[in-house]
Amino acid sequence: SAVISQKPSRDICQRGTSLTIQCQVDSQVTMMFWYRQQPGQSLTLIATANQGSEATYESGFVIDKFPISRPNLTFSTLTVSNMSPEDSSIYLCSPRAGSGAQYFGPGTRLLVL
Amino acid sequence: GQQLNQSPQSMFIQEGEDVSMNCTSSSIFNTWLWYKQDPGEGPVLLIALYKAGELTSNGRLTAQFGITRKDSFLNISASIPSDVGIYFCAGSAGAGSYQLTFGKGTKLSVIP
Repeated sequence: SAVISQKPSRDICQRGTSLTIQCQVDSQVTMMFWYRQQPGQSLTLIATANQGSEATYESGFVIDKFPISRPNLTFSTLTVSNMSPEDSSIYLCSPRAGSGAQYFGPGTRLLVL
Repeated sequence: GQQLNQSPQSMFIQEGEDVSMNCTSSSIFNTWLWYKQDPGEGPVLLIALYKAGELTSNGRLTAQFGITRKDSFLNISASIPSDVGIYFCAGSAGAGSYQLTFGKGTKLSVIP
């Protein structure tokens, strides 16, 4: 499986600020997914990011709030903009392997005060 | 949209016992994945299933892709304390759609 790293691993932020989360994969992947996991909950897909095209957002998520970059096949960023306490969650990147298996990064734990 | 019903929601078992959990879907999936998540970590892929009827093992873990393509189960044999965690099923409809739909998770506690 791919080695996936995320930065930062955790952060505490003030409301109204923005945080950019980085995801680095040790191999090239076509599809990168970003998920959110609210406290005690399951995972919810935010958006799908393919290199060279605009990210596709799921219902309830918009580009202005969660802009995504995918400059190459090994790297992606997710920004959580104008944060509020409701954005406190774990944010996870997830590259899809050619085999169809999907792996997850270690997550970024965000607390918004 | 697609929904996954995962059960049980939580389990308390004695060390050495076998465990079974399952997921059912309101629609057909082409891929079933089972993950385990430890506190403070991201989900770790345990088993991936790609064909209806497929039965796959990974050590003490066994998972099956239901023949109707609407369900899957995960069995853990001879549980040990490190099996503690939250287990998630996830399904993908495929056919150009690779998004995963997740179950709500099964929280497993193992009593030594």
